[in-house]
Amino acid sequence: GNSVTQMEGPVTLSEEAFLTINCTYTATGYPSLFWYVQYPGEGLQLLLKATKADDKGSNKGFEATYRKETTSFHLEKGSVQVSDSAVYFCALILSGGYNKLIFGAGTRLAVHP
Amino acid sequence: DVKVTQSSRYLVKRTGEKVFLECVQDMDHENMFWYRQDPGLGLRLIYFSYDVKMKEKGDIPEGYSVSREKKERFSLILESASTNQTSMYLCASSLERVLYGYTFGSGTRLTVV
Repeated sequence: GNSVTQMEGPVTLSEEAFLTINCTYTATGYPSLFWYVQYPGEGLQLLLKATKADDKGSNKGFEATYRKETTSFHLEKGSVQVSDSAVYFCALILSGGYNKLIFGAGTRLAVHP
Repeated sequence: DVKVTQSSRYLVKRTGEKVFLECVQDMDHENMFWYRQDPGLGLRLIYFSYDVKMKEKGDIPEGYSVSREKKERFSLILESASTNQTSMYLCASSLERVLYGYTFGSGTRLTVV
């Protein structure tokens, strides 16, 4: 079946450290891929997306590249801030029909000063 | 920007009460969704709707029903609230072409006592 696997958290970093959150997927077909972020007490916000292989999504200093050969969509940021502390969700959706977003379990990031 | 508005941020209800959670979106999206989010269980889809008066069961529909009488409004109904329905409830909407992803509301934290 279709699924998303994220690295387990929490991920704890110091401010200005480099961030990588791994995400791999299994899908029948060619999915679009997303990263959502959830700040404490809030709903989910779309952070970035990529709709085809080799696309790079980017927003707010975060980047992720759609790697079809490794079925991955890892989230990276060169220098994290305390305000980046949140839960990050990787997700996929397949085209056609009434397909729905399939989410990973989420990875909590805590950034300390 | 698309806005998805959930009527309450926090609700406290008694066991056995009938509870209505309201969600309104303002960008003419065809699809709407209700999720619940619980620690360790991630996001679970309760119901979704792809058109007015249409509804489909998600992964955990038991104990819930939905109503979509107008395109912009999608209501989640707890027929007889129970303590195991204490959770964060998230509403989302999307275009018919879901490859662009979902827009989420801020969530309603429901406590059933």
